[in-house]
Amino acid sequence: AQKVTQAQTEISVVEKEDVTLDCVYETRDTTYYLFWYKQPPSGELVFLIRRNSFDEQNEISGRYSWNFQKSTSSFNFTITASQVVDSAVYFCALSEYKGAQKLVFGQGTRLTINP
Amino acid sequence: GAVVSQHPSWVICKSGTSVKIECRSLDFQATTMFWYRQFPKQSLMLMATSNEGSKATYEQGVEKDKFLINHASLTLSTLTVTSAHPEDSSFYICSAPTGTSYTGELFFGEGSRLTVL
Repeated sequence: AQKVTQAQTEISVVEKEDVTLDCVYETRDTTYYLFWYKQPPSGELVFLIRRNSFDEQNEISGRYSWNFQKSTSSFNFTITASQVVDSAVYFCALSEYKGAQKLVFGQGTRLTINP
Repeated sequence: GAVVSQHPSWVICKSGTSVKIECRSLDFQATTMFWYRQFPKQSLMLMATSNEGSKATYEQGVEKDKFLINHASLTLSTLTVTSAHPEDSSFYICSAPTGTSYTGELFFGEGSRLTVL
């Protein structure tokens, strides 16, 4: 069975600090997708990234970066120079490669950026 | 605008009544849609897969007779919570993929918050 673990339930940092959100996953599949979503207080899910298991290159998008380590089954997310607007719950998720639409979510990490 | 739209965003109902939540794909056709439930401060859990023109597939532990899913067209799936009780109060969110699972994007609706009194 697939499983995603986000061990950090809550993180609180001061604005402009860098913060890393951890994600560890379990799957028996050799090919799969990994996702990160942001959920602000309004509730909607904001897509951040989708990465397939073939591609282990790290990715950077502005202040966001992702570190995919297949050897340790981790897909960590780092926000550089955090801002108050980054405050939200962040979910890591996993799907089968052939059924990429059906996601297994981690428990989420509530990130609070204090001014 | 939103690619996947849910309605209503908020609904409050009395215990014992039924509530219908709609999930629409606005500018694409979706033969499959997914329904998730999120209790306060918890993660999203997949409830069921909605299949256009056929029966929904429910996850283990989800009551089929309580959570009725109908996918009558390629752009609309509905979730009906029958005889709702306070423990059904939750945030319900749908998702719909475009294209194939290899290349398609996956979009989520804005969610529907149900409060059962």
